[in-house]
Amino acid sequence: SAVISQKPSRDICQRGTSLTIQCQVDSQVTMMFWYRQQPGQSLTLIATANQGSEATYESGFVIDKFPISRPNLTFSTLTVSNMSPEDSSIYLCSVRQGRGYGYTFGSGTRLTVV
Amino acid sequence: AQKVTQAQTEISVVEKEDVTLDCVYETRDTTYYLFWYKQPPSGELVFLIRRNSFDEQNEISGRYSWNFQKSTSSFNFTITASQVVDSAVYFCALSGVTGNQFYFGTGTSLTVIP
Repeated sequence: SAVISQKPSRDICQRGTSLTIQCQVDSQVTMMFWYRQQPGQSLTLIATANQGSEATYESGFVIDKFPISRPNLTFSTLTVSNMSPEDSSIYLCSVRQGRGYGYTFGSGTRLTVV
Repeated sequence: AQKVTQAQTEISVVEKEDVTLDCVYETRDTTYYLFWYKQPPSGELVFLIRRNSFDEQNEISGRYSWNFQKSTSSFNFTITASQVVDSAVYFCALSGVTGNQFYFGTGTSLTVIP
């Protein structure tokens, strides 16, 4: 299965600033997915990132707040912009292993906004 | 609509006890996949098992076993002789045949007391 390197693993940020999270996959994948996990909650899909096209955002998430880049088939970034304490969460990237084979997840970025 | 329900929010057991984590799902698809993931305190998501809707055979992997029953739309997970290292949040998840939509339950937090 794919191996995903995600960084930073954690960060504490001031409100109003932005943080960019990086995900590197050891193989080429068509789609990469970004999830948010708020404290004590389940995972919520933020967006799907395809290489060479704009990311597709889920309801409640907008590009201005969570811009995503996908410059090639092995790399993606998610930026959390103009952060507030409500953005404190774990952010995870993932890739699909193949039809029905589930997802592999990065190790997550634990973000605390103060 | 696709939905995964994990009614047990938190469970505590004493080491060496057996514990079953419940998962009930809803889907209109005839072909679908069910998954279990483990999220230890460090935050990463660890894939445990995938089961497709045509395979109702129960599975055992070491101390882990899974009971899939289509008649009751359930995919329960049992840990036998629990250990402290099993302490984690466990997520049940569902995807359709394309795998483009992935639905997580709200998770069950398991604490194994030494």
